[in-house]
Amino acid sequence: QVRLDTSGGGVVQPGKSLRLSCAGSGFTFKNYAMHWVRQAPGKGLEWVAAVAFDGSNKYYGDSVKGRFTISRDNSKDTLYLHMNSLRPEDTAVYYCAKVMFAFGGLTVNPPDSWGQGTLVTVSS
Amino acid sequence: DIVMTQAPLSLPVIPGEPASISCRSSQSLLHSSGDNYLNWYLQKPGQSPQLLIYLGSNRASGVPDRFSGSGSGIDFTLRISRVEAEDVGVYYCMQALQTPLTFGGGTKVEIK
Repeated sequence: QVRLDTSGGGVVQPGKSLRLSCAGSGFTFKNYAMHWVRQAPGKGLEWVAAVAFDGSNKYYGDSVKGRFTISRDNSKDTLYLHMNSLRPEDTAVYYCAKVMFAFGGLTVNPPDSWGQGTLVTVSS
Repeated sequence: DIVMTQAPLSLPVIPGEPASISCRSSQSLLHSSGDNYLNWYLQKPGQSPQLLIYLGSNRASGVPDRFSGSGSGIDFTLRISRVEAEDVGVYYCMQALQTPLTFGGGTKVEIK
């Protein structure tokens, strides 16, 4: 059974940094591209970033480009999101998600399993 | 960026009755492969999103056959043949043709 355990959320001041983690189990983590998607309180879904199964390619949404970095450690079956220069508008639940097809690309390949999410609150 | 527009925003439904949700993209999602890179998700209250339909019309594993997806190019529809109480939540369409991946604004389905 696929499991994605997300952690690292909390309350942080504007301008500060935070690192989220997503530990995968129940599947061969190193074979699947991964995504981060966020949801501001009471709002819809916003795609944040994605990384190829081997870490070779990374893509970012415009609102986080240059501030957030997606990475993965396949030896630890873990996905990360390093968030710098946080803003109040980054306040959201952050979900990690694996794609459906192994060795598939970052586009085309639908995110099919999602973690439980972790809440990040940016506030002074 | 590809803009995804869903309608309606809210959909009151009667159990046992059919329901449909529309999704329109600002550019064609039809790939040269012949597939439409359009997915549907359901986010039940208090839960993470779950994949219902991928590549426009393929049901994800474990999804009941009362759910179906159709459409091509820029116009897509999610249909529920007979709504059940467990189907309440917010439905999102998402394009996966290119980054940034983008979602529709969501359609809230609730029991009338």
